[in-house]
Amino acid sequence: DVKVTQSSRYLVKRTGEKVFLECVQDMDHENMFWYRQDPGLGLRLIYFSYDVKMKEKGDIPEGYSVSREKKERFSLILESASTNQTSMYLCASSLGTARGTDTQYFGPGTRLTVL
Amino acid sequence: GESVGLHLPTLSVQEGDNSIINCAYSNSASDYFIWYKQESGKGPQFIIDIRSNMDKRQGQRVTVLLNKTVKHLSLQIAATQPGDSAVYFCAVDTGGFKTIFGAGTRLFVKA
Repeated sequence: DVKVTQSSRYLVKRTGEKVFLECVQDMDHENMFWYRQDPGLGLRLIYFSYDVKMKEKGDIPEGYSVSREKKERFSLILESASTNQTSMYLCASSLGTARGTDTQYFGPGTRLTVL
Repeated sequence: GESVGLHLPTLSVQEGDNSIINCAYSNSASDYFIWYKQESGKGPQFIIDIRSNMDKRQGQRVTVLLNKTVKHLSLQIAATQPGDSAVYFCAVDTGGFKTIFGAGTRLFVKA
């Protein structure tokens, strides 16, 4: 069974703080993703990575950065948290096969509140 | 770019009835479609997928139907159970590592 874990289930931070969200997968997947999930908006892609040290911007990268130093770990960084970054953050990984077969496996999510 | 929409944000069904959750997509070139289930407090989980060279695929109690002519996708759950209560997302693989998710339909199962 693929396992994707996230470092925290709930997090409360203050405006301006630097926030680190960690994600680890144990199935040697090539691809890793960070999404945020907001009511009525579905899942929106923030960043993804298809290899160690490689990263690509998703649809809403502003205010975020990422780091992938090891294959199994993908970190999301909020350099200076703002209240509009209050959201559910979901990490996912996928094997990295040819297009059309690549199911994503999700972690349980981190609910971040920025006060 | 691709967009994915769901017809209803919520759906309420009686236990034992069949559920049908609908989804529309915009790009006729899309060729891989996935349904995910998200239970409260958990991340989305894969349910079933379908490729564009098929129009129907069945799993255990679930069936996905794809109508490429009208760019419509549906998920059918047979004999809906309380454990099926969740938010259901359709997703479209656009290629290039990106998957577009719909906003989700919350399914309520009445006992």
